[in-house]
Amino acid sequence: DIQMTQSPSTLSASVGDRITITCRASQNIDRWLAWYQQKPGKAPKLLIRKASSLESGMPSRFGGSGSGTEFTLTISSLQPDDFATYYCQQYHSYSYTFGQGTKLEIK
Amino acid sequence: QLQLQESGPGLVKSSETLSLTCTVSGASISSSSYYWAWIRQSPGKGLEWIGTMWWYTGKTYTYYDPSLKSRVTLSPDTSKNQFSLRVNSVTAADTAVYFCASTGFGDNRGHDAFNVWGQGTLVTASS
Repeated sequence: DIQMTQSPSTLSASVGDRITITCRASQNIDRWLAWYQQKPGKAPKLLIRKASSLESGMPSRFGGSGSGTEFTLTISSLQPDDFATYYCQQYHSYSYTFGQGTKLEIK
Repeated sequence: QLQLQESGPGLVKSSETLSLTCTVSGASISSSSYYWAWIRQSPGKGLEWIGTMWWYTGKTYTYYDPSLKSRVTLSPDTSKNQFSLRVNSVTAADTAVYFCASTGFGDNRGHDAFNVWGQGTLVTASS
């Protein structure tokens, strides 16, 4: 299986901050990476696919980059609604795997 | 608009079979334009993909995570536009929130991100 490792596990930040979350794959996954946002008691919501393609309706303050084995999710100016847990997921090949998550907390 | 809704027992006895159903609205489960999946989430293991089912030339195909393959079955019910998950011989490690989810036919040989999810259902495996 392809292992996905996110860092940090927890991130404390303030409204208006710019933050970056990193996701590393244990082998080359080209650009077949998705980012999800999850709030307590809810299903994950797809934010970005193919490493950098923002889903329709998602705010433009979310951005993704990377290819191969290293990827980043950036939120350019945190809003109160952004405090949640974020997951990366590779869909390069079966078995699909997720990162362990990054919990974004209010400082 | 595609929508998914999980249903099934919230409590399963250890060593017995977990059975869940996902009801699909807004698309036909027999369409070759979609892939149908189950994903679970437990505190100990995070998000875990269980398996995916799809149609091609009128036949269903499945792929399961190897660690679960011996205990898991995904199956369709086209008359009700539903697909189901069965997990045999459950243990406490199978306690999780179970989500059904779907993808379109992606440009990576069909693979794509999960753009539609059900709300999830908690299943507790207990003796």
